[in-house]
Amino acid sequence: EVKLQQSGDELVRPGASVKMSCKASGYTFTDYAMHWVKQSPGQGLEWIGTIIPLIDTTSYNQKFKGKATLTADKSSNTAYMELSRLTSEDSAVYYCAREDNYDVMDAWGQGASVTVSS
Amino acid sequence: VQMTQSPSYLAASPGESVSISCKASKSISNNLAWYQEKPGKANKLLIHSGSTLQSGTPSRFSGSGSGTDFTLTIRSLESEDFAVYYCQQYNEYPFTFGSGTKLEIK
Repeated sequence: EVKLQQSGDELVRPGASVKMSCKASGYTFTDYAMHWVKQSPGQGLEWIGTIIPLIDTTSYNQKFKGKATLTADKSSNTAYMELSRLTSEDSAVYYCAREDNYDVMDAWGQGASVTVSS
Repeated sequence: VQMTQSPSYLAASPGESVSISCKASKSISNNLAWYQEKPGKANKLLIHSGSTLQSGTPSRFSGSGSGTDFTLTIRSLESEDFAVYYCQQYNEYPFTFGSGTKLEIK
């Protein structure tokens, strides 16, 4: 069974950074790209970017360039996203999602909430 | 590519059929997916390639369309179908989602 287990919810101060994780199991981690998606409170879904773990290649939504950094650790089958210089606009739930052979997101993590507050 | 999804809210009774529309601001071929969001559960891929049911998706779900206009139809609604639905284009980066349709029990 494909499973994506995300790290826990975070409460962070404005201006700080946060790094969240997404641990994959049930499949070969390097065979599939991993996407990250943002859902702001009461809002829809925004695509942040994607990483291909096999070759550490990333693609970002221009809106999130400089805000999000995607990495992957092949040894632990874990994808990471770091968000920097946090503001209240970054308060949201963040999801990781595996890209399948049809380029769609066929498995999603449970989401990790980030609250930016002083 | 902007994705315009409608309606944003839909109320229906079990057994009824409903349709949700998704329009792309330019042609995306058939590179469209539909997802279901339910509280406490991971988002679920229902349909990809505009009309291909993901393994495990009940046959009462169907997708149609290509180019710019797409539709998700759910026939004979069951209680488990009341959720939020999103369309998403994956024809080009940045991937974009529709604003969602909340399907509630009437």
